[in-house]
Amino acid sequence: EAQVTQNPRYLITVTGKKLTVTCSQNMNHEYMSWYRQDPGLGLRQIYYSMNVEVTDKGDVPEGYKVSRKEKRNFPLILESPSPNQTSLYFCASSKTGYMNTEAFFGQGTRLTVV
Amino acid sequence: QQQVKQSPQSLIVQKGGISIINCAYENTAFDYFPWYQQFPGKGPALLIAIRPDVSEKKEGRFTISFNKSAKQFSLHIMDSQPGDSATYFCAASFIAGSARQLTFGSGTQLTVLP
Repeated sequence: EAQVTQNPRYLITVTGKKLTVTCSQNMNHEYMSWYRQDPGLGLRQIYYSMNVEVTDKGDVPEGYKVSRKEKRNFPLILESPSPNQTSLYFCASSKTGYMNTEAFFGQGTRLTVV
Repeated sequence: QQQVKQSPQSLIVQKGGISIINCAYENTAFDYFPWYQQFPGKGPALLIAIRPDVSEKKEGRFTISFNKSAKQFSLHIMDSQPGDSATYFCAASFIAGSARQLTFGSGTQLTVLP
């Protein structure tokens, strides 16, 4: 089954404790991205990757890091989480980042930073 | 700033009624306008999409109307069903540098009453 898998689904952490949210896709997609969803703001892009070893900032990259060492994986790293990063996070993948192709989303990770 | 403005924030419709969600944009570089549907606990999924060279696209009970001169587009759900209850996001895509960027509206929570 074609899918984007995120882990964990739920995470509660304390301010300053580094965490990683994993994302994996099995569709051999070139393009992957991370979004955060907040009430009244919709989905805002954090980082995206056009392909392996190619990453770039989205609209709200501050406080986040990403890496793309393999085509299928695109982890999101919060090195020093703060309460304003409490949000619902989605990883998405598309066949390519050059053309209009459907974005496939994971099921989301609900992060709470206390 | 919100590049795609979506309204209303929430919508309650009786079963069998018509649900209408509106979006407006400013950036004339947008050239692809998808709508995503999100059920609780799930990631968004592509519902229907339109390009600006057509004024309307219909897929089953779902229709996108597009007004290029007004820079507005809307989603119409005919014969709304309780199973349509979900959050709907409009989006717009354009080429920024070497990559396509997808910008989402703030979302509309639709409730269809039985």
